[in-house]
Amino acid sequence: NAGVTQTPKFRVLKTGQSMTLLCAQDMNHEYMYWYRQDPGMGLRLIHYSVGEGTTAKGEVPDGYNVSRLKKQNFLLGLESAAPSQTSVYFCASTPLRGRGTEAFFGQGTRLTVV
Amino acid sequence: TQLLEQSPQFLSIQEGENLTVYCNSSSVFSSLQWYRQEPGEGPVLLVTVVTGGEVKKLKRLTFQFGDARKDSSLHITAAQPGDTGLYLCALGGIQGAQKLVFGQGTRLTINP
Repeated sequence: NAGVTQTPKFRVLKTGQSMTLLCAQDMNHEYMYWYRQDPGMGLRLIHYSVGEGTTAKGEVPDGYNVSRLKKQNFLLGLESAAPSQTSVYFCASTPLRGRGTEAFFGQGTRLTVV
Repeated sequence: TQLLEQSPQFLSIQEGENLTVYCNSSSVFSSLQWYRQEPGEGPVLLVTVVTGGEVKKLKRLTFQFGDARKDSSLHITAAQPGDTGLYLCALGGIQGAQKLVFGQGTRLTINP
């Protein structure tokens, strides 16, 4: 059981380049989330999705776009990368968001924008 | 502004000592979770607390949910180097929203 898989694990981008981070889950979970983690900042929510075809903004959505065309995949796009987007990105999924629902995380994507 | 405030942000103690870390908010929680994250990995759930005043134990870790459901604490007894990591509290269902929000974490180092 793979759980939550993030692709790629590492990436270096030049300022202005674009890229897409892929998150895939094989647990048939309804909810999926994208976070960024910077030193001393914990996890900050970028965007999330409560089901196939739906997305919503989190705490820090600017500069990012997302799509959930298939239930098992949640894509995070950077249209024009900036050095401020250098971070570790984590994807998570949950079966639903009731009380006590466990979130399962991928292993992260370390992105450096130079 | 941070919806969840964790303290302290950093804590370094010797093996065998006890410690407590805290998670506080101005909002009432419907439930609160504690996660631990090790270097190079995603967070992993330790516990969920849902009832005001609830206490849960996980070996040497004791989790408490405040009576008013606005704060929580994690107490570790006789800390070991294996307890080293980033401890994160998280809550969801805020005002009916579906997002899962984390505090900034407490980075704990246990020195042998």
